[in-house]
Amino acid sequence: EVQLVESGGGLIKPGGSLRLSCAASGFSFSNAWMNWVRQAPGKGLEWVGLIKSKTSGGTTDYAAPVKGRFTVSRDDSSSTVYLQMNSLKTEDTAVYYCVNEEQGAFDFWGQGTMVTVSS
Amino acid sequence: QSALTQPPSASGSPGQSVTISCTGTSSDVGGYNYVSWYQQHPGKAPKLMISEVTKRPSGVPDRFSGSKSGNTASLTVSGLQAEDEADYYCSSYAGNNYVFGTGTKVTVL
Repeated sequence: EVQLVESGGGLIKPGGSLRLSCAASGFSFSNAWMNWVRQAPGKGLEWVGLIKSKTSGGTTDYAAPVKGRFTVSRDDSSSTVYLQMNSLKTEDTAVYYCVNEEQGAFDFWGQGTMVTVSS
Repeated sequence: QSALTQPPSASGSPGQSVTISCTGTSSDVGGYNYVSWYQQHPGKAPKLMISEVTKRPSGVPDRFSGSKSGNTASLTVSGLQAEDEADYYCSSYAGNNYVFGTGTKVTVL
């Protein structure tokens, strides 16, 4: 059974940093392209960023609103993907989902972790 | 990258069909066959319903079908059931990034 378990969310002041983790199991993590998708309260889904598998180059891509502030990384030895978030803004407040991607579709989703940026 | 355009709401009676549109541009929906659809019930994580425009993952009822013409993709839910009441989002690959639709709330009358 595929499982994605996010952690690390919480309340943080504007300008602060936070690192989210996502522990994966039940599939070949090292071959997976892993993404982060967020959803602000009462709003729609927004793609945040991805990291490709090492066999695909291990490169990352980011949405414009987070580029330069957020970094996605991975540790294949522990099947974990991370989202380092710096210079946080109030508009970054959202539930953050860790998602496995296959052929351009977001296959499996974690339960999400809430990040609240507020003074 | 702008969000794909979906109608805010759609509705139908049990047993009827409802179709949701998802309009983008030639840089996303029209340029790639990587359009997918997601169902989200309140307080839950989204669930993949359609991938690569028309493919249904294992376990998704065949009442759900997808199509695309030009820059517009569509999701049709036939034989509406009470449990189909949810928010639906489309998504498309857009060349090194992804874009989601604005979301459609489907109500079963």
